[in-house]
Amino acid sequence: EAGVAQSPRYKIIEKRQSVAFWCNPISGHATLYWYQQILGQGPKLLIQFQNNGVVDDSQLPKDRFSAERLKGVDSTLKIQPAKLEDSAVYLCASSVHGTGVPDTQYFGPGTRLTVL
Amino acid sequence: KQEVTQIPAALSVPEGENLVLNCSFTDSAIYNLQWFRQDPGKGLTSLLLIQSSQREQTSGRLNASLDKSSGRSTLYIAASQPGDSATYLCAVSTDYKLSFGAGTTVTVRA
Repeated sequence: EAGVAQSPRYKIIEKRQSVAFWCNPISGHATLYWYQQILGQGPKLLIQFQNNGVVDDSQLPKDRFSAERLKGVDSTLKIQPAKLEDSAVYLCASSVHGTGVPDTQYFGPGTRLTVL
Repeated sequence: KQEVTQIPAALSVPEGENLVLNCSFTDSAIYNLQWFRQDPGKGLTSLLLIQSSQREQTSGRLNASLDKSSGRSTLYIAASQPGDSATYLCAVSTDYKLSFGAGTTVTVRA
């Protein structure tokens, strides 16, 4: 079974530029998560999708971050414009259910973003 | 708001020694607790998941205990090997959300 795929693996941009990350979850998984992991900290949930609907985006900085999950499969996370403090690893995860039933989340390799 | 703390932040042991990693959380109303491993530049790999009704879970050289009432979990790794060098994160599930600790970075010296 293929795991969670993410691209790109690394990205370096200058502040005020835009950037987008892509995630392909495990086939058949209904729930998709985007996390931000700043160096030395644990991952922080940015947004959670159930199929193609948003379940939780309470910690997403909506003035600059946006995310979508079209057709309930792949997802894209965008930052526009980027700030220095956005430098982090962006992790995508998926789970079979996610809401109503707490179950295991499977994580992708992450995208390391450096904002100069 | 759930707060998860892991102590120590870093640990260095000689090969063969047993590892003890600690995790504490503030809200005992959890559904489950997971231990993850993270290698440099990689994502998270789930090691063990303990349901709130369980006291411990074992997989090979790994054993995790859970004391929900006191808000603590401990991960034991027996007979450590250099390949065990990684960052270990604890995460608790509350309201179907995962709250992570900052992790313990382990170095096993050959």
